[in-house]
Amino acid sequence: ETGVTQTPRHLVMGMTNKKSLKCEQHLGHNAMYWYKQSAKKPLELMFVYSLEERVENNSVPSRFSPECPNSSHLFLHLHTLQPEDSALYLCASSQDRDSHTQYFGPGTRLTVL
Amino acid sequence: GQSLEQPSEVTAVEGAIVQINCTYQTSGFYGLSWYQQHDGGAPTFLSYNALDGLEETGRFSSFLSRSDSYGYLLLQELQMKDSASYFCAVNPGGSYIPTFGRGTSLIVHP
Repeated sequence: ETGVTQTPRHLVMGMTNKKSLKCEQHLGHNAMYWYKQSAKKPLELMFVYSLEERVENNSVPSRFSPECPNSSHLFLHLHTLQPEDSALYLCASSQDRDSHTQYFGPGTRLTVL
Repeated sequence: GQSLEQPSEVTAVEGAIVQINCTYQTSGFYGLSWYQQHDGGAPTFLSYNALDGLEETGRFSSFLSRSDSYGYLLLQELQMKDSASYFCAVNPGGSYIPTFGRGTSLIVHP
């Protein structure tokens, strides 16, 4: 248990569906992150929020839309995804965006049919 | 940009010592982190080196040489539960957002 939870743990969706991934951290951290992890590839940073403000967007397609309503919650809204978007989506948090230690959630295994 | 190189797989036997190397090329550098990830699990933080030298935490140690852009993770008295993927990550400075390597799959045999 790292103090970061993610739901759902597994998700199967069609290309025309709309779904959302949820992340919650119970650590009192000020920064939260979304990563994509595909097989045999490095962790890819998607979004960073610091004090609920988005500070980094690594050229992620617009079919991925993040939302950070407060410092404890982070969402990733998904729509019209492609099969190549199938991956493990990991949420992480850190005390601040300057912190070198990140705490990861268990991830959501996403399959796009 | 940033790039990190680490071996894709390492195998060892229980009780042995294994070293996982990481070389990096970054436009900035603040420190090198190591994470462990078991199959189906979340990456968990192991260690961080900002200065040259060896940092020891129980059976695990991490080393950094900034002049060589090189670091390694040393695992001693290997146990079966150490079978996992190990990622090095660089904090390039500025935005302090880490860049991760592809990971090294460690397989520990009885």
